[in-house]
Amino acid sequence: AQSVAQPEDQVNVAEGNPLTVKCTYSVSGNPYLFWYVQYPNRGLQFLLKYITGDNLVKGSYGFEAEFNKSQTSFHLKKPSALVSDSALYFCAVRDYNAGNMLTFGGGTRLMVKP
Amino acid sequence: NAGVTQTPKFRILKIGQSMTLQCTQDMNHNYMYWYRQDPGMGLKLIYYSVGAGITDKGEVPNGYNVSRSTTEDFPLRLELAAPSQTSVYFCASTTGVDTGELFFGEGSRLTVL
Repeated sequence: AQSVAQPEDQVNVAEGNPLTVKCTYSVSGNPYLFWYVQYPNRGLQFLLKYITGDNLVKGSYGFEAEFNKSQTSFHLKKPSALVSDSALYFCAVRDYNAGNMLTFGGGTRLMVKP
Repeated sequence: NAGVTQTPKFRILKIGQSMTLQCTQDMNHNYMYWYRQDPGMGLKLIYYSVGAGITDKGEVPNGYNVSRSTTEDFPLRLELAAPSQTSVYFCASTTGVDTGELFFGEGSRLTVL
């Protein structure tokens, strides 16, 4: 069975500093990995995905994520955080051997302080 | 573009009542999903559909039912509501390609008292 872990419930960072939101996964085959963001009282919005190829994936709003197969990780990063980045972030994985079931992590709340 | 539209946005039910959460998408997506989101628990898949007339159970299907008579619509039925069904419900859709991202509705907040 596939699973995703987001070890931090909350990440605090000062505006202008780099940020990292951690994600590790477990699948039986090759993973398809996704990051989504959720603003208050809204649905989830797609940020970026890793399917194959370059381990560094660039996405929306200046975010990027690094796929590390040996560490089974897919950490979300941004070089310089903005207050408007404050939101709930979800990592998700799909094992292409498991059809179209997408499994989500528990979410990490990012707080960016001015 | 409307995308994925859910109604109602908020609803309060009494224990034992039934209701239907509506979901419609205008992107001609084959795959549709219902998730529930509980605080600190991420999203749990309730039911999904890979096309009109085809539905299947997810992780937490008990107490729910779905139908998919058209490509656009995927309603979620709650029978005999229980307090454990208090949650935020999200409908989502995708093209069906493994690499495709999900498009989410804005959610329906349900409280069962």
